[in-house]
Amino acid sequence: AQSVTQLDSQVPVFEEAPVELRCNYSSSVSVYLFWYVQYPNQGLQLLLKYLSGSTLVKGINGFEAEFNKSQTSFHLRKPSVHISDTAEYFCAVSFDRGSTLGRLYFGRGTQLTVWP
Amino acid sequence: NAGVTQTPKFRVLKTGQSMTLLCAQDMNHEYMYWYRQDPGMGLRLIHYSVGEGTTAKGEVPDGYNVSRLKKQNFLLGLESAAPSQTSVYFCASTDLSGGGQPQHFGDGTRLSIL
Repeated sequence: AQSVTQLDSQVPVFEEAPVELRCNYSSSVSVYLFWYVQYPNQGLQLLLKYLSGSTLVKGINGFEAEFNKSQTSFHLRKPSVHISDTAEYFCAVSFDRGSTLGRLYFGRGTQLTVWP
Repeated sequence: NAGVTQTPKFRVLKTGQSMTLLCAQDMNHEYMYWYRQDPGMGLRLIHYSVGEGTTAKGEVPDGYNVSRLKKQNFLLGLESAAPSQTSVYFCASTDLSGGGQPQHFGDGTRLSIL
């Protein structure tokens, strides 16, 4: 079975502070990993993805994530957040083989709220 | 660039009514998906399609039907709407030619069942 766990449902931070949104997954096969962002009343937008290679992945809006295979984690980080980063963030995993090819499995989301 | 377009954007139904949600993509993607999003639940897969004329069940298929008569369109039907189907519905598409391709999402349909 595959699953994605986002450890924090809500993360409040002050503007210009660093933030880390945590994501762990479980899988017995190789995975592809994604972070999506959802602004209010909008669809999901790809923030970054890990397919292979370097474990540190850089995305849009100054976000980055690190793939840690031994800890089965893919945590999202930003060194200094802005109020405009307030949104819901979803971690997702897909697999490169088998009957589930192409399907995305989502975590339950983390609401990031940035305060002035 | 239209990408993935969902219609309608909002709808209010009465219990027992039927309706169809339309998803259209202009990226020539083979794979299309319907999700529902509920507070604290993330996105859950309802049905998906791996090509024209094919459909398959996802995690929460009960109460929904789908059709993929044309490659660019993926329809989601509610035959007899129930209050438990009040949700935000998202359509997505992807091209798996390279493996690990991200899904592209529409802006959602907000559906309320009274």
